Amino acid sequence: ETGVTQSPTHLIKTRGQQVTLRCSSQSGHNTVSWYQQALGQGPQFIFQYYREEENGRGNFPPRFSGLQFPNYSSELNVNALELDDSALYLCASSTLSGGRLYEQYFGPGTRLTVT
Amino acid sequence: RKEVEQDPGPFNVPEGATVAFNCTYSNSASQSFFWYRQDCRKEPKLLMSVYSSGNEDGRFTAQLNRASQYISLLIRDSKLSDSATYLCVVNLQIAGGTSYGKLTFGQGTILTVHP
Repeated sequence: ETGVTQSPTHLIKTRGQQVTLRCSSQSGHNTVSWYQQALGQGPQFIFQYYREEENGRGNFPPRFSGLQFPNYSSELNVNALELDDSALYLCASSTLSGGRLYEQYFGPGTRLTVT
Repeated sequence: RKEVEQDPGPFNVPEGATVAFNCTYSNSASQSFFWYRQDCRKEPKLLMSVYSSGNEDGRFTAQLNRASQYISLLIRDSKLSDSATYLCVVNLQIAGGTSYGKLTFGQGTILTVHP
C-alpha cells in the first residue's frame, strides 16, 4: 500500500452541482497532484500543490480548483459539474526537493458519476 | 501528435511468454520516465523507473533511448498475475518560480496472460 488515501470512494452528483474530493498524502511527502482518468484513457494531469499553493496546472478550466493544507492533505473542488466530468479522480503524493520531483504514488481514487 | 504514445494492444499471451511494450514521447525536454501498472478499476501503481543505462527488476527490464525518445518494457516468463494495463509515463519538469513535475501518461496497453 502507498499510504495515500482518498475519500469518498464513489460519488454520484447531478449536472450543475459542486463536489469536493479529499486526499491524504503519504507521510513525508510534501506535494500532491490530481489527475482525471476517463474510461479507457490514461490519467490526465489537473494540477499540483506544493507548500499550500498551486504550482502547476494542466489543461483544465478554472471550475477545477484545489487546496493543500499544512499537513499536506489536499482537496479537489469541481464547480458546475458537467456530464463529461464523470471519471476516476486520482491524487498522487510525492516529494519535491532541490527542484526535482520524485516518484509519485497514487491513492485508490474517487469514482465520480455525473447524471 | 500525442505526447506519449504506446502500442495499442491488447496483448494476449500464454504463461511463460516474453512480451515487450514500446512507447515514444514527443517532448525531448522530458526528464524522467516510468512504467506504471494499473489493474481493472484500481489506481496506477509504480512498476519501475526507467534509466538511460537500462534497469532490471526480476522478470522486468526497462530501457530508455533519449536520442530516439523511445521507452520499452520487457516482461519475461509471464505470469497470470501480470495481466493488467501497462502505462508508459513521462515526467516533464517545468522550471518556474517553483518547479513542478507533470506526469504525462500514455493510453495504456492491456496485457492478458492466459494459462
